[in-house]
Amino acid sequence: DIVMTQTPLSLSVTPGQPASISCKSSQSLLHSDGKTYLSWYLQKPGQSPQLLIYEVSNRFSGVPDKFSGSGSGTDFTLKISRVEAEDVGVYYCMQSRGITFGPGTKVEIK
Amino acid sequence: QLQLQESGPGLVKPSETLSLTCTVSGGSLSSNNYYWGWIRQPPGKGLEWIGDIFYRGSTYYNPSLKSRVTVSVDTSKNQFSLKLSSVTAADTAVYYCVTRIRYYDILVPWGQGTLVTVSS
Repeated sequence: DIVMTQTPLSLSVTPGQPASISCKSSQSLLHSDGKTYLSWYLQKPGQSPQLLIYEVSNRFSGVPDKFSGSGSGTDFTLKISRVEAEDVGVYYCMQSRGITFGPGTKVEIK
Repeated sequence: QLQLQESGPGLVKPSETLSLTCTVSGGSLSSNNYYWGWIRQPPGKGLEWIGDIFYRGSTYYNPSLKSRVTVSVDTSKNQFSLKLSSVTAADTAVYYCVTRIRYYDILVPWGQGTLVTVSS
């Protein structure tokens, strides 16, 4: 199994400030088809997770451009350019070759 | 627009079989574009993929649960189901049904989730 780790596990951010979450995989996520199946999900309090980013850096439909993803191989990053109250929740990275999730990063507002 | 809704008992006794159904609306279970699957989340913990199925019957399971899991589809009812046998308290979780979009391997949409408690 591919093991996913995330750092930090919790993050307290001043509104309007940026935030960054790191996700690392135990194996390269580069697939033989040339794609890297790494996605990011946000689970807001009391809700089901929702897709933010897929294939490392593609924003899903309707996701604001303050969210961006980057990385390759085994190291990936989710950035929020300006955190707002509506961004509070737990962020999960996920790899899709035998699906596994990171442990989650809880983002709260200071 | 696809929508998913879980249904099933909220309480299951230890050693028995957990059974949940997901009803799909806004799209066909017989689409070549989707896998139909299940994710669970123990209270206060993270997400665990259980498994999914293509409408033609191919199944993909989490190796750690494979011996106890069956995912099946009923295209006539536009529903798919989860069976998890020999449950213990460790199987207490919110169970989500999800759509995995083929070729992108992304999970969207998710059902609202249903809490299943394993207790005597």
